[in-house]
Amino acid sequence: QVQLVQSGAEVKEPGASVKVSCKASGYTFTSFYMHWVRQAPGHGLEWLGINNPNGGGTSYAQKFQGRVTMTRDTSTSTVYMELSSLTSDDTAVYYCARARAASLLDFWGQGTLVTVSS
Amino acid sequence: AIQLTQSPSSLSASVGDRVTITCRASQGISSALAWYQQKPGKTPNLLIYHASNLESGVPSRFSGSGSGTDFTLTISSLQPEDFATYYCQQFNSYVQVTFGQGTRLEMK
Repeated sequence: QVQLVQSGAEVKEPGASVKVSCKASGYTFTSFYMHWVRQAPGHGLEWLGINNPNGGGTSYAQKFQGRVTMTRDTSTSTVYMELSSLTSDDTAVYYCARARAASLLDFWGQGTLVTVSS
Repeated sequence: AIQLTQSPSSLSASVGDRVTITCRASQGISSALAWYQQKPGKTPNLLIYHASNLESGVPSRFSGSGSGTDFTLTISSLQPEDFATYYCQQFNSYVQVTFGQGTRLEMK
């Protein structure tokens, strides 16, 4: 069965960076794009970007350009999302989500809570 | 970037009601729209894709319609498990995806 298992919760100070991992299993890792979506407490879904595990190509939401980096390791079927220059506005649950047909998010990781606080 | 505006932002309804949620895109996106349901503390669940296609396993009381800039999600007869937040998502370009702000469906 498809599973996406994310790394654990993080607490970071303002200005720091955070790197969240998402380990995939149960399907051919390189056959499906992976998206990253976040959700601030009590707020809606916000798209951060997309990673193509087959080749490593990426595209980021304009809002996060220059601050987000998405990578993958095909040897461990893991994708990573690193966000830098954190502020309190970045406090959110970060999700990885597998995409069918490039954009249909059919399986989600359990989420990683990132708290930015001094 | 393409903006999506959902209406209403919140909605109170009763079991058995017919409910419609709308999603308007800031520019035409053909049928590149999906709908998700999210319950508190859970991850979103894909309901409808390409505007009107029902995802496997989703009850037939859910339906979607529209193309271009105006889209609707309809629940024909609300069930207790349908009280949740609903999001539309556009993927006109798969490398620039956006979500609507969400519609919270509450029990009256």
